[in-house]
Parts: sequence; C-alpha cells; structure tokens
Amino acid sequence: GESVGLHLPTLSVQEGDNSIINCAYSNSASDYFIWYKQESGKGPQFIIDIRSNMDKRQGQRVTVLLNKTVKHLSLQIAATQPGDSAVYFCAENLVQGAQKLVFGQGTRLTINP
Amino acid sequence: DSGVTQTPKHLITATGQRVTLRCSPRSGDLSVYWYQQSLDQGLQFLIQYYNGEERAKGNILERFSAQQFPDLHSELNLSSLELGDSALYFCASSRTPGGGYTFGSGTRLTVV
Repeated sequence: GESVGLHLPTLSVQEGDNSIINCAYSNSASDYFIWYKQESGKGPQFIIDIRSNMDKRQGQRVTVLLNKTVKHLSLQIAATQPGDSAVYFCAENLVQGAQKLVFGQGTRLTINP
Repeated sequence: DSGVTQTPKHLITATGQRVTLRCSPRSGDLSVYWYQQSLDQGLQFLIQYYNGEERAKGNILERFSAQQFPDLHSELNLSSLELGDSALYFCASSRTPGGGYTFGSGTRLTVV
C-alpha cells in the first residue's frame, strides 16, 4: 500500500549537535520527496525537497539524502538550535494516476539545552 | 503567513452536526489539497482539486465532501459528525499537481 514510514518516532539531541532523521518509503514510482517541519499548533512548513534523479541536496543547515536502492530518505540538520524542536515529516509524491503527497507518521525532534 | 488561509481556526460542535471548513489557496496556485491530522498522527490525505475539478481521492469518508469554486477557494464539508472526527484539518495548495505544497495553519475541529 502507500506508506512512508519513519524509523524513530522521537529523537533527542543536544543543542549544537547534528541530528539525522530517517525515513523509509515504499513506492519506487515516487519521483519527488519533501521534508516538512511542523511546530506545535502550526501547519507543516516546507524545509527541503529532492527529485528522484538526485541523491543529495543541501540547504541552509539541512541536507537531504536519497537512497533509491533501499528506498531511504534522511534529513540531516547541522548545529541544531532550540528552534529546530518540532515534528518532522517526510513525504513522497506518489504517482499513481493522479499525483498526491503521502506523509509519514513523523519524528518528534527535541533539542536539549 | 504562508499565503494559504483557512477559516475558522477553531470549531467546536456536537455529534451529528455538519460543518464547513474553508480554504483560500496561495495566489496563483491552482491545486488544493485537504488533509486530516488526528492527535500525534501523520497527515492523512483526503482529497485534491485542480482548477475546480476533483483530481484525487484518499481515505475520505462518505460523510465528507469537498469542492473548489471558480475563484479557486475550496470548502470541506463534514456531516453527521462523530467524536472520532475531532482533528486538525489542513488545506494545502500548489501551482501544479504534485509540486511543493504550501500548508495553511489548519482548522482544529472538536466534536463533543
């Protein structure tokens, strides 16, 4: 079925450390992947995306890695800050007729001072 | 402000009632998507519209319906409400189907 899952539901890191959030997707037909950040009481906010023809993309303090062989996606956040505390969702653009984004369950990232 | 406007922000209603949630997409976006998020859960895709036409359906209950109007705003209608319908309902928009989505801040529905 359509599902994008996350390996860990919660992750705690020390402020200033790097964090890695992982995601497994199931549909090899997906051609586009996005990481979203959701803070409490707010809507998901776009962080970074990657197309299936790439294996790495960097943004400001964030890097997304895509391994299509094992259908794995990861989000690396460098030098984490208190404001990075949120739930992070990966999403895949599922192409089965019409296109739609399928979201994983989310990983709650907590930054410890 | 993401540019996607959802109203109302909060809604409390009784079981059996009907409510309408409204979404105005970001200027220039033709696609509108509705998602449901229950407590500490992921986002469940409900339905997608593109330029007024339904394009994709997810796990949307028969008690729920939606439409997109000529001015591109969308409404999600929830009827015969049950306690389990309590959730955050998000609308998102994009310029093209499958493109990056911009989410609104959601409507929190509480059914009592």
